Amino acid sequence: AQSVTQLGSHVSVSEGALVLLRCNYSSSVPPYLFWYVQYPNQGLQLLLKYTSAATLVKGINDFEAEFKKSETSFHLTKPSAHMSDAAEYFCAVSPTGKLIFGQGTTLQVKP
Amino acid sequence: DVKVTQSSRYLVKRTGEKVFLECVQDMDHENMFWYRQDPGLGLRLIYFSYDVKMKEKGDIPEGYSVSREKKERFSLILESASTNQTSMYLCASSQGPLDEQYFGPGTRLTVT
Repeated sequence: AQSVTQLGSHVSVSEGALVLLRCNYSSSVPPYLFWYVQYPNQGLQLLLKYTSAATLVKGINDFEAEFKKSETSFHLTKPSAHMSDAAEYFCAVSPTGKLIFGQGTTLQVKP
Repeated sequence: DVKVTQSSRYLVKRTGEKVFLECVQDMDHENMFWYRQDPGLGLRLIYFSYDVKMKEKGDIPEGYSVSREKKERFSLILESASTNQTSMYLCASSQGPLDEQYFGPGTRLTVT
């Protein structure tokens, strides 16, 4: 069965520091991969999506993620954290059209 | 601007009550989804629909049913609410099955 694992339920960084949120997936077929963000008291919104066109995917708000097939990973990065990035982040895989979500990682940004 | 709306942000119901959660999208999307979100578990798919009057079970359909009489509206029904159904419920829609899903703001349901 397909699954998604996000390493670390909470990540804390200082403002201006690199953000790295980890995601590993298992899928028996080439997957579509997504990162969604959920700000407090809101629904989820798409940050970026991998569809096999390019391994490095750029998203909104300077986020990007790199698909590494050999490592079955799709880690999310941002060079410099802003206070407004504090939110919960979800990695998801869609091998067959249904999204399978990871457990989520809460990002805290300290001033 | 795309929009998915859910009928209530907060809902409190008693054990055994029948509960309806409504979701409406204005994007003429084919696919609609209901998830529940619990801390540490992420989002889990309850039911989805890829066409009017069509529905399929997701990963945790027990205790739930759905209705899609019109393309824009997808309802989640708890036939007899139980305390273990206390959760955040999120509705989403997409044009194609692998396209971006657009989410509503969620309904936080408490069953007492």
